[in-house]
Amino acid sequence: GAGVSQTPSNKVTEKGKYVELRCDPISGHTALYWYRQSLGQGPEFLIYFQGTGAADDSGLPNDRFFAVRPEGSVSTLKIQRTERGDSAVYLCASSPHGLAGANEQYFGPGTRLTVT
Amino acid sequence: GDSVTQMEGPVTLSEEAFLTINCTYTATGYPSLFWYVQYPGEGLQLLLKATKADDKGSNKGFEATYRKETTSFHLEKGSVQVSDSAVYFCALSDESRDDKIIFGKGTRLHILP
Repeated sequence: GAGVSQTPSNKVTEKGKYVELRCDPISGHTALYWYRQSLGQGPEFLIYFQGTGAADDSGLPNDRFFAVRPEGSVSTLKIQRTERGDSAVYLCASSPHGLAGANEQYFGPGTRLTVT
Repeated sequence: GDSVTQMEGPVTLSEEAFLTINCTYTATGYPSLFWYVQYPGEGLQLLLKATKADDKGSNKGFEATYRKETTSFHLEKGSVQVSDSAVYFCALSDESRDDKIIFGKGTRLHILP
């Protein structure tokens, strides 16, 4: 079956520009997570959606970062005024959440963002 | 806050050697523990998990036991193969914190033929 997909797979942008990263979760998964993985590090949590609402955005580094999930399926991570330090792989994961023991997250392949 | 500490790499072993990658955690609640693997050029995959103390997770010959008394979840494999070369991440999540995963920094494993 289809897994989590993310587009684009690679994005190169200039400092100061705006970017959008898209995540298509597994059909029927109500929980969606965004993580950021910098070079040589483990992924770090950014934001969690349950349905359409952002239940926890405590990992967003600053107000240049924003994410939406308007219909409870596809999510878009938006970064304004990009900085070189935003360069990383952005990972999306989804989970069936809400079912006992079903807390496994399924990860997409990631979007590699490079800010020049 | 909750955290995960794992041994730094890279770890280089010969094929058929015994593997241990150490992982310890700090958590205020009762987390689930995971090992994720990232093969070259591929996405993050769940390797194994354990949801409560003394549980043993296993997959593809890898094992890890949830040790609450030592707050550890060490990854072991009796005989590694070249195809096991990858980056391994120890991680935890807690239902009371929306299951967001906290990862260690990763350990790169190289297996020589």
